[in-house]
Formats: sequence, structure tokens, C-alpha cells
Amino acid sequence: EVQLLESGGGLVQPGGSLRLSCAASGFTFSSYAMSWVRQAPGKGLEWVSAISGSGGSTYYADSVKGRFTISRDNSKNTLYLQMNSLRAEDTAVYYCAKGRIPAAIPRDDAFDIWGQGTMVTVSS
Amino acid sequence: QSVLTQPPSVSEAPRQRVTISCSGSSSNIGNNAVNWYQQLPGKAPKLLIYYDDLLPSGVSDRFSGSKSGTSASLAISGLQSEDEADYYCAAWDDSLNVWVFGGGTKLTVL
Repeated sequence: EVQLLESGGGLVQPGGSLRLSCAASGFTFSSYAMSWVRQAPGKGLEWVSAISGSGGSTYYADSVKGRFTISRDNSKNTLYLQMNSLRAEDTAVYYCAKGRIPAAIPRDDAFDIWGQGTMVTVSS
Repeated sequence: QSVLTQPPSVSEAPRQRVTISCSGSSSNIGNNAVNWYQQLPGKAPKLLIYYDDLLPSGVSDRFSGSKSGTSASLAISGLQSEDEADYYCAAWDDSLNVWVFGGGTKLTVL
């Protein structure tokens, strides 16, 4: 069974840092692009960042560029999101999501598997 | 303000048909695949439609997608109470080099 399991969320003060992890199982992790998508309380979905299967290409939303870093360890089947200089507006449930097509270019892809999400709260 | 524009809410009676629109531009919907996601209350999103009009395995054929120019639509026929959810369209944007989502549409089955 294909599964994604996020962890690492919690309460952090403004300006602080947090690292999220997403453990993948049931598929050839290194073949697929992965993304982080977040949802603030009561709000819609917002894509945050994506990384290619090899890790050689990364993409970021303007709202997190320069503060967040996406990475992956294909030997551990794990996706990461390092979040620095956190702000109140980063408060959200963070989902990791798997690309549908192996080695796809983003324009042709979709997020076919989602994790259950991990809550990040930025507050003093 | 989302790059893709959806109506905030739609409602229809059981067994009827409803459509949800998604408007974008030539840099996203006009040139790239449109995907639709369903988010049931308190749950993670689920892929409903990919590549404009294709259904993933296991998704009911009561759901269908279409695209024309820079707009896309999701149609749900034979509405059921369990279809009550938030629905999001999404596409890659070539100009911004990012994934963009619509603001979401809340479907109420009356």
C-alpha cells in the first residue's frame, strides 16, 4: 500500500525553525517528484514547494522562498521541509504529496497520494 | 487572491447535477494539465480528476472534468450527501514556475 506519513509539526515561536519529515512507503520513492502543500486553519490549499525525484530540481512558492528548504533522502525514502524564520502566517497543516507520473515534468503531473498532514503553529 | 478562480460555494439537491468552474490564464490552465481534488471534512485532499478529464482508479464516474481555453470545469452528477466537500482545481503555472490552486469551492447537497 502506498503511504505517506508526515511528522515534525508542533508549536514554535515567531522567528524559530522546524523540520518536517515525510516517510514514504509502497512505491519507488526516487522515481517520483514530491511536494509540500499547506492549509491554514479554515483556508484553502496552498502549494509550498516541490522537488524532483533525483532531488536535482526544486521549486518554491514566493511566500516561502529564502526561508524554507525542501530536500529528500532517497536511501531513506524520506522527504523533508526545513522551515526557518517562521511567521504567524506559516501556521497551517502541512501535507506531503506524491507526484503521479514517474520522472514527470510538473506541467503534466498531479498529486495522487497525500499524507494525513502535520500541524505547524507559529505563535508566541 | 488565488491565481485560479473558483466560486466559493455551490449547492444542489440530491440526484441532481452540479458544475464547478475554474478560471485561469494561458500560463496555467491554457497550457497545462488541470487537476481536481476533493477534500472531505477533516480529511486530506484526494485526487479526483487529472490531466483535465481523466479519472484515477476507484473514482466514481459520476465525476467528470472538462477544459476549454483558460477555463476548466468539474461536473458531479447524481449528487449524493457524501459528495459534500471542498473541491479545488490546480495547475502548473509556466510564468511563475509554481503550482497554483483555486481558492476552493464548498459543495452543499441540499
